[in-house]
Amino acid sequence: EVQLLESGGTLVQPGGSLRLSCSASGFSFSSYAMSWVRQAPGKGLEWVAALRSSGDRPYYPESVKGRFTISRDNSKNTLYLQMNSLRAEDTAVYFCAKGRYDNSNKYFDSWGQGTLVTVSS
Amino acid sequence: DIQMTQSPSTLSASVGDRVTITCRASQPISIWLAWYQQKPGKAPKLLIYESSHLESGVPSRFSGSGSGTEFTLTISGLQPDDFATYSCQQYHSYVYTFGQGTKLEIK
Repeated sequence: EVQLLESGGTLVQPGGSLRLSCSASGFSFSSYAMSWVRQAPGKGLEWVAALRSSGDRPYYPESVKGRFTISRDNSKNTLYLQMNSLRAEDTAVYFCAKGRYDNSNKYFDSWGQGTLVTVSS
Repeated sequence: DIQMTQSPSTLSASVGDRVTITCRASQPISIWLAWYQQKPGKAPKLLIYESSHLESGVPSRFSGSGSGTEFTLTISGLQPDDFATYSCQQYHSYVYTFGQGTKLEIK
């Protein structure tokens, strides 16, 4: 059974930094693309970062480009999201999501339960 | 970016009803669309991919159709477990985008 467990969410001040982690089990982590998707309180889903199985060619939407960095350690079955220059509008539950393929996420067939990031002074 | 617009935003229905949710893309996306179900406080669950392919383990009362810019998710014979929020997602572009969600409520 695929399991994705996010951690690292907390309260952080505007302008601060935070690193989220996603520990994966139950599948061959190094064979699949992965993403982070967030959901602000009462709002819809927003994809924020994606990475191929090999760990190269990350891509981001404009809303986080230059501030967020996605990475992975396939030896530890772990996905990361480094978030810098955080803003109030980054407040959300952040989900780790597994893509269906190795070189592209396309859609997400497994999700973690999410970790809450609150950006506030 | 490709904008995804769902309608309606809220839908009230009864157990046993047949309901349809629509998702429109701001530009053609071929069949590269997925549907998810999400319950409060829980992670989304993949229901359908490539517009009409049912994910393994998803009940056959769920179906999807469409191509280009207009897509539909249909639930035939609503069950109590189906009351949730449904979201579409396009993956034609590498900038993946979701619809705003449709909340399916009990009438």
